[in-house]
Amino acid sequence: EIVLTQSPGTLSLSPGERATLSCRASQSVSGNYLAWYQQKPGQAPRLLISGASSRATGIPDRFSGSGSGTDFTLIISRLEAEDFAVYYCQHYGSSPITFGQGTRLETK
Amino acid sequence: QVQLVQSGAEVKKPGASVRVSCKASGYTFVNYYIHWVRQAPGQGLEWMGTINPSRGSTTYTQEFQGRVTMTRDTSTSTVSMDLSSLRSDDTAVYYCARSLLGATTVFDYWGQGTLVTVSS
Repeated sequence: EIVLTQSPGTLSLSPGERATLSCRASQSVSGNYLAWYQQKPGQAPRLLISGASSRATGIPDRFSGSGSGTDFTLIISRLEAEDFAVYYCQHYGSSPITFGQGTRLETK
Repeated sequence: QVQLVQSGAEVKKPGASVRVSCKASGYTFVNYYIHWVRQAPGQGLEWMGTINPSRGSTTYTQEFQGRVTMTRDTSTSTVSMDLSSLRSDDTAVYYCARSLLGATTVFDYWGQGTLVTVSS
């Protein structure tokens, strides 16, 4: 089973700033099958990025993903008020599918 | 538009079973896997397994093997997830989500979630 470790656990930033979220896998993620989701309180997760770097339909271009192998990054270039939420990475290259523990992005 | 609509909240006693349903609409039901993901209060996301609505075949994680059963009804485009021998640590929001058959397992649409509370 691939274990995903996200850092930091909590990130405190202000609107307009740049956010950098990390996801590290315990072993190489085949095919860069790594996705990112955003979850707001009381809501289901929302797909942001798949294949490590491909934005899902309707996702603004301030969200970008990168990385390969065991190290992946989600960058939000200029934070807007609606971006403050919890972010999860997920691998789907092998079974079982696993998620990271999440990074909480909060307003400073 | 694509929708996954789940059944309502449940309260169960330890040892009991629960059924959560997920009704799909707005797309061809048999072309997408349905997965179940749960989230304990204040915790992260945990994948439980999946069903292929076309064949009815299932895959469950080792943690839930023997306790979970996923079924589908193609006539109503509904998937059900039964979880038995409930414990207090099964208290969670249970989500269904879909991924395209023959493609990678990315969850592009999710249900609204169903809170299952296990308490004596």
